[in-house]
Amino acid sequence: NAGVTQTPKFQVLKTGQSMTLQCAQDMNHNSMYWYRQDPGMGLRLIYYSASEGTTDKGEVPNGYNVSRLNKREFSLRLESAAPSQTSVYFCASSAPNRGYNSPLHFGNGTRLTVT
Amino acid sequence: QKEVEQDPGPLSVPEGAIVSLNCTYSNSAFQYFMWYRQYSRKGPELLMYTYSSGNKEDGRFTAQVDKSSKYISLFIRDSQPSDSATYLCAMSAYNTDKLIFGTGTRLQVFP
Repeated sequence: NAGVTQTPKFQVLKTGQSMTLQCAQDMNHNSMYWYRQDPGMGLRLIYYSASEGTTDKGEVPNGYNVSRLNKREFSLRLESAAPSQTSVYFCASSAPNRGYNSPLHFGNGTRLTVT
Repeated sequence: QKEVEQDPGPLSVPEGAIVSLNCTYSNSAFQYFMWYRQYSRKGPELLMYTYSSGNKEDGRFTAQVDKSSKYISLFIRDSQPSDSATYLCAMSAYNTDKLIFGTGTRLQVFP
């Protein structure tokens, strides 16, 4: 049982390049999330998807787009990377009765550096 | 001012010590309180979950919530080197998907 799988684990981009971070979960969870983690800032929500076919902005959505491809997969796209997007990106999912009764299950992150 | 404040540490203690980790918050609507543990180069994992005020115990871990003071704590008894990690508090209001995380406290337990 893999849980939440993120690819790639590491990535270096030049300013202006684009890339897509992939996330897949095998726990049959409805809700999926993308966070970024920066020193001194904690985890900040970029986008989330409460169910297949829906997406909503979180706290820091600018510069990102997402696609909920199906129930299992939720991708994050950087169209034109900027140095301010250097961060560790975490994907998470939670059970159908999301909210407060369901913990978030996190992947192990993608470490992105933009030069 | 951040909604959730957490001392970043690092906190360094000897094996066997009692550890106290704390968070303060400003939003009185928060009802659900969680502690996540994050090992280096890994994603956070849920450690403790409590609703409203009170205590919850799970093995060596005890979570306390004092809503009147807007203060939550995580106590670790008989700390072990394997407890060395970053501990993140998180909280949310009722009927919302929005989970607010603290910045995390780095704990080091030395043998």
